[in-house]
Amino acid sequence: GQNIDQPTEMTATEGAIVQINCTYQTSGFNGLFWYQQHAGEAPTFLSYNVLDGLEEKGRFSSFLSRSKGYSYLLLKELQMKDSVSYLCAVRDHQAGTALIFGKGTTLSVSS
Amino acid sequence: ETGVTQTPRHLVMGMTNKKSLKCEQHLGHNAMYWYKQSAKKPLELMFVYSLEERVENNSVPSRFSPECPNSSHLFLHLHTLQPEDSALYLCASSQGAEGLTDTQYFGPGTRLTVL
Repeated sequence: GQNIDQPTEMTATEGAIVQINCTYQTSGFNGLFWYQQHAGEAPTFLSYNVLDGLEEKGRFSSFLSRSKGYSYLLLKELQMKDSVSYLCAVRDHQAGTALIFGKGTTLSVSS
Repeated sequence: ETGVTQTPRHLVMGMTNKKSLKCEQHLGHNAMYWYKQSAKKPLELMFVYSLEERVENNSVPSRFSPECPNSSHLFLHLHTLQPEDSALYLCASSQGAEGLTDTQYFGPGTRLTVL
C-alpha cells in the first residue's frame, strides 16, 4: 500500500527557519512534490524531487532521500504570510501521473 | 491564477438534486483530475483522464459521474449525494507525461454542501 505521513501542525517565529518532514511508503516511487495551500483554496506547486539531494528555490528548499523514504521542506526567513498548509505528495509508477497526498501540515508563524 | 478554472465556486444542494461541476484548463495539458478534500483528511484522488479517456476511477461511488468531452474540459455530474459528500472538490491538470516532472496545476475548487 501507500502511506504518507507528515505532522499535522507546526509553529515557528517570524524570521526563523522551519523544517517540515514527510515520510512515505510506496512500491514504485516516481517523484515527490510539495504544495502550499491557503485554507479553502487551490494547492500551488512549490517543489519537486525525484533524485536524492536538495533542491533550492529562494526561501524554500526541499530534500529527498529515496532509501529512507523521507523528504523535508525547509522554509527560511519565515514571514507571517507563510502561515498556511503544506502538502507532501508522492507519485507512484503504478498510479501513472496521479498523486497521493499526505494530510498536510498547518504552519503558524508568530511575531 | 493557475490556468485552471472551476465553476461554481460554491454549491449547496439537496440529496435529491442533480448538479454538475465544471473545470476548464487553458494550459494545453493532456491529463485532468478530480480530487476530493474533506476536513482533516488528505486530498483523495477520484478520477484521472488522459487524452479524454478515463484511466483511473479510485473506487468512487456511482453517484459521482465524470465526463471529459475534450482535453480542456472536465465535468463532475452529481446525483443523489449524501451529506458526507460535502467537501472541497478540486480539479487539476498536467501534461500527462509520466517520465517528466508533470506538475499538476489546481483550480480554486468548488465548495459543495449537501443538505
